[in-house]
Amino acid sequence: QSVLTQPPSASGTPGQRVTISCSGGSSNIGKNAVNWYQQLPGTAPKLLIYSDNQRPSGVPDRFSGSKSGTSASLAISGLQSEDEADYYCAAWDDSLSGVVFGGGTKLTVL
Amino acid sequence: QVQLVQSGADVQKPGASVKVSCKASGYTFIAYYLHWVRQAPGQGLEWMGCLNPNSGASNYAQKFRGRISMTRDTSITTAYLEVNSLTSDDTAVYYCARTRPPNYFGSGSLGDWGPGSLVTVSS
Repeated sequence: QSVLTQPPSASGTPGQRVTISCSGGSSNIGKNAVNWYQQLPGTAPKLLIYSDNQRPSGVPDRFSGSKSGTSASLAISGLQSEDEADYYCAAWDDSLSGVVFGGGTKLTVL
Repeated sequence: QVQLVQSGADVQKPGASVKVSCKASGYTFIAYYLHWVRQAPGQGLEWMGCLNPNSGASNYAQKFRGRISMTRDTSITTAYLEVNSLTSDDTAVYYCARTRPPNYFGSGSLGDWGPGSLVTVSS
């Protein structure tokens, strides 16, 4: 049981816009920055979004993040086949004094 | 460029210990927290803890306290994760990851990741 809650799966067709939600609580998302990671099959996770809505250099602007209260979302516009991956949200949890992850969302590009 | 190079795959018997290494280069080793995250086969990411390479102090997830140890050797810019009393549930890929700048305790932003080290626990 993950501290942060994500839907286990999401899907879309090429060119579509998809969103992935992440729900937490007052000690994690409600107080600290949300980060999103992309994990392509067989590879290490990659930081996709940090500080709720910032993109590291090299991440396309098709990827965007937002946060409201104790929930966050990752949006992917102009969906491409190479976006097919697992996506994880994460945040520091003040009560647990550690990083907590969502269970991950498997994105399928139909 | 930042590189985190991890030790190779390892097979251990139940009850044994394993020590995974993470060699850092391309940045000032002592300036950034190093985290350890594991992923069991077909499962999600699980945070294990983090190490302050400057002081050597570590912070472990409650689940692992008493069973893991995070250390470092600053002379060779290498961090280590040791897991004791292994069971089959510890079969996983173990990743080291560096905090993204700015570095501070309480950051969940892991900007650079190692390739992972597969640890298999089997009799």
